[in-house]
Amino acid sequence: DSGVTQTPKHLITATGQRVTLRCSPRSGDLSVYWYQQSLDQGLQFLIQYYNGEERAKGNILERFSAQQFPDLHSELNLSSLELGDSALYFCASSVGAGYPDTQYFGPGTRLTVL
Amino acid sequence: DQQVKQNSPSLSVQEGRISILNCDYTNSMFDYFLWYKKYPAEGPTFLISISSIKDKNEDGRFTVFLNKSAKHLSLHIVPSQPGDSAVYFCAAAGGYQKVTFGTGTKLQVIP
Repeated sequence: DSGVTQTPKHLITATGQRVTLRCSPRSGDLSVYWYQQSLDQGLQFLIQYYNGEERAKGNILERFSAQQFPDLHSELNLSSLELGDSALYFCASSVGAGYPDTQYFGPGTRLTVL
Repeated sequence: DQQVKQNSPSLSVQEGRISILNCDYTNSMFDYFLWYKKYPAEGPTFLISISSIKDKNEDGRFTVFLNKSAKHLSLHIVPSQPGDSAVYFCAAAGGYQKVTFGTGTKLQVIP
């Protein structure tokens, strides 16, 4: 158990819909990262928040947005969903703002868009 | 543009033998490298890391080797155990670059 929690574990929805994925970092960690893993793909970095502020942005679509709240939990909002958005979404947390801090990953949320 | 490449999607090794997982990178700004292990239905877990000032780092059965001139790193597992069967991700970071992950190599250790 990494100490990072993600809800829900599974999510099935339809194209065009909007969903929210939630992540609670390890106690004491200030950074939260979001990754997408599609079939046969590596972990694609989406976005990082550090202590409530956006720190780094990766290949995140405009239809996706995220935020980190004062209690440091984070939410990833995916809207106007398409079939290609079906993937595993991982959240990770770390103590500081970036490497060489180890990132601790949650178990992921599997999103299926029908 | 895949800056971190794991060209072998899968690898099978007999229990007790050595497993060698390879990773290549293209960005010369990378100066910190990591390996993560992932079991099905779980998130990746950190395994071992190496800074570019070193060429080898060892932790028990796991050793990572870095060849900066070739932009290549490898993970050696000796001896391999069935519990090592998992997907292994190589990752790299450096400068202002975020941590960039490879596509993973699925290791199967056969009893």
